[in-house]
Amino acid sequence: AQSVAQPEDQVNVAEGNPLTVKCTYSVSGNPYLFWYVQYPNRGLQFLLKYITGDNLVKGSYGFEAEFNKSQTSFHLKKPSALVSDSALYFCAVRVLYGNNRLAFGKGNQVVVIP
Amino acid sequence: DTAVSQTPKYLVTQMGNDKSIKCEQNLGHDTMYWYKQDSKKFLKIMFSYNNKELIINETVPNRFSPKSPDKAHLNLHINSLELGDSAVYFCASSIGGDPTEAFFGQGTRLTVV
Repeated sequence: AQSVAQPEDQVNVAEGNPLTVKCTYSVSGNPYLFWYVQYPNRGLQFLLKYITGDNLVKGSYGFEAEFNKSQTSFHLKKPSALVSDSALYFCAVRVLYGNNRLAFGKGNQVVVIP
Repeated sequence: DTAVSQTPKYLVTQMGNDKSIKCEQNLGHDTMYWYKQDSKKFLKIMFSYNNKELIINETVPNRFSPKSPDKAHLNLHINSLELGDSAVYFCASSIGGDPTEAFFGQGTRLTVV
């Protein structure tokens, strides 16, 4: 079954420091991977996706993610975290061919400390 | 313009009642979804419709019945509400087929008392 895992529950980072949110995947075939962010009391917002091509994917709000096939990882990164980046981050993988049903990881709470 | 809109945003109701949540998307997408987010923030697919036809029906109780009058709307009707139904329900839409991103609504926080 296609799935993703987010091993950490919460990530604390000081404002201005690099931010990394980890995600590993388990898929058969080519993985289609996504990152979403959920701000408090809001819906999910799409950040970026990896379908094919360059392993480094750039997305919204200065975020990027690196697809690493050998480590089966798709970590989300931001060079300099802002307090406004404090939110819940979800990694997701497309489950079924021909359908965009997403399987989500458990989510990571990111807390950026001023 | 809101891409995926859900109503109501908050819903508080008593056990045993029947309620509906409405969802509309103006993106021209042909696939719509309902996801449930529980108190631990886990997100899980409930239903998926493609061009008004049911594609996915996960292990959801029969009390939950989605209805898609047209491809821009996917409503969720819940009968005989139970305490365990309390959650945030998200509607989403996407272009079917290719692996594109899904767009989510703001969510409906359902509280059953």
